[in-house]
Amino acid sequence: DQQVKQNSPSLSVQEGRISILNCDYTNSMFDYFLWYKKYPAEGPTFLISISSIKDKNEDGRFTVFLNKSAKHLSLHIVPSQPGDSAVYFCAASATGGADGLTFGKGTHLIIQP
Amino acid sequence: DTAVSQTPKYLVTQMGNDKSIKCEQNLGHDTMYWYKQDSKKFLKIMFSYNNKELIINETVPNRFSPKSPDKAHLNLHINSLELGDSAVYFCASSHGGTSGRTDTQYFGPGTRLTVL
Repeated sequence: DQQVKQNSPSLSVQEGRISILNCDYTNSMFDYFLWYKKYPAEGPTFLISISSIKDKNEDGRFTVFLNKSAKHLSLHIVPSQPGDSAVYFCAASATGGADGLTFGKGTHLIIQP
Repeated sequence: DTAVSQTPKYLVTQMGNDKSIKCEQNLGHDTMYWYKQDSKKFLKIMFSYNNKELIINETVPNRFSPKSPDKAHLNLHINSLELGDSAVYFCASSHGGTSGRTDTQYFGPGTRLTVL
């Protein structure tokens, strides 16, 4: 049973435009959400996170939005750059995170010049 | 300066063998983890561990066992390897332990295990 879902396996965006990656979750106990970026043959790299008490968190070109009622979050990257091409994983946690993170399957973002 | 490191990066072995993967973190974190990324690319938690508590994902076979010689290391031992154990294994670490949230985790580069 997938508790964190990323329904788009891949997304292609032109350089300079906005990239929007989506994530849905089913477990209402999740209260902390994270995005990780992963290049081939490397480990996931932490990008940005958001607590369930907020609906938006911004860090430079990256903004995460959380809609708790819809159990949906999204990652906006603007402007998109070639180095942003990677697989992006959405992750969620509950219970303070001691049980580990629950990951989505990832979205492969391709930035086209 | 590598924050979370794993060795080896690649491991090819025969079915039935016993193998270990090592993990070290120099971030001063209290909690360490092992994740498995299978052929379908799902990253799934196997264990989380700090100096007080080991939390095991119930789906992990008991052939897998974490061993922590100290706070900076969490090694993964696998006995009687099976074909289905072929995957990429990631180590991670985070702050907090049992006194606080451990959500933001930092990952190692992964170990690709191939069982023949």
